[in-house]
Amino acid sequence: RKEVEQDPGPFNVPEGATVAFNCTYSNSASQSFFWYRQDCRKEPKLLMSVYSSGNEDGRFTAQLNRASQYISLLIRDSKLSDSATYLCSWRDTGFQKLVFGTGTRLLVSP
Amino acid sequence: NAGVTQTPKFRVLKTGQSMTLLCAQDMNHEYMYWYRQDPGMGLRLIHYSVGEGTTAKGEVPDGYNVSRLKKQNFLLGLESAAPSQTSVYFCASMAGGGNGELFFGEGSRLTVL
Repeated sequence: RKEVEQDPGPFNVPEGATVAFNCTYSNSASQSFFWYRQDCRKEPKLLMSVYSSGNEDGRFTAQLNRASQYISLLIRDSKLSDSATYLCSWRDTGFQKLVFGTGTRLLVSP
Repeated sequence: NAGVTQTPKFRVLKTGQSMTLLCAQDMNHEYMYWYRQDPGMGLRLIHYSVGEGTTAKGEVPDGYNVSRLKKQNFLLGLESAAPSQTSVYFCASMAGGGNGELFFGEGSRLTVL
């Protein structure tokens, strides 16, 4: 089993819709979790960190469920500019490396 | 304000040729990483470094070597390129003791014929 698994999508949603992605991880010792955004043919960029208590940044909400070993990203009121691939990742604090999922592609249409 | 710079951006190699990808960061970051990205495979860690003079293997290290002689530079070498190494390579850096945010370079597209 891959360390991080994501539904590759694509998720096709209309503008204004709410969409959610999940990402499951297999390593129960995983310390820190993140969502990265990657535009087509560009480098990934950090979207937000995922805290145990959940966190929100504008239209984006990230949550962590340690019992079920998954993290989620919720996007409300989708914009055309949200079209991208969303990569989840976890960080092994002991070894200072980040492992990434395969990414979920989101397409927001007018 | 360069951040992470990768050279070259594009390269075409013949099978068996060697080459080196250079990654330079100007943020004084401790940690540096090389990933490859292939369709449907996501980002896979090749090698990483937690400080000057140190390197470690990631998920897919075979066929690659790395060196971190200077803190700001992380070199990825292909000694004998194979078609399976056709990919987009991303370098990234992270501050020691930071929040875990990786800063990526723009990527290097390598094609091995």
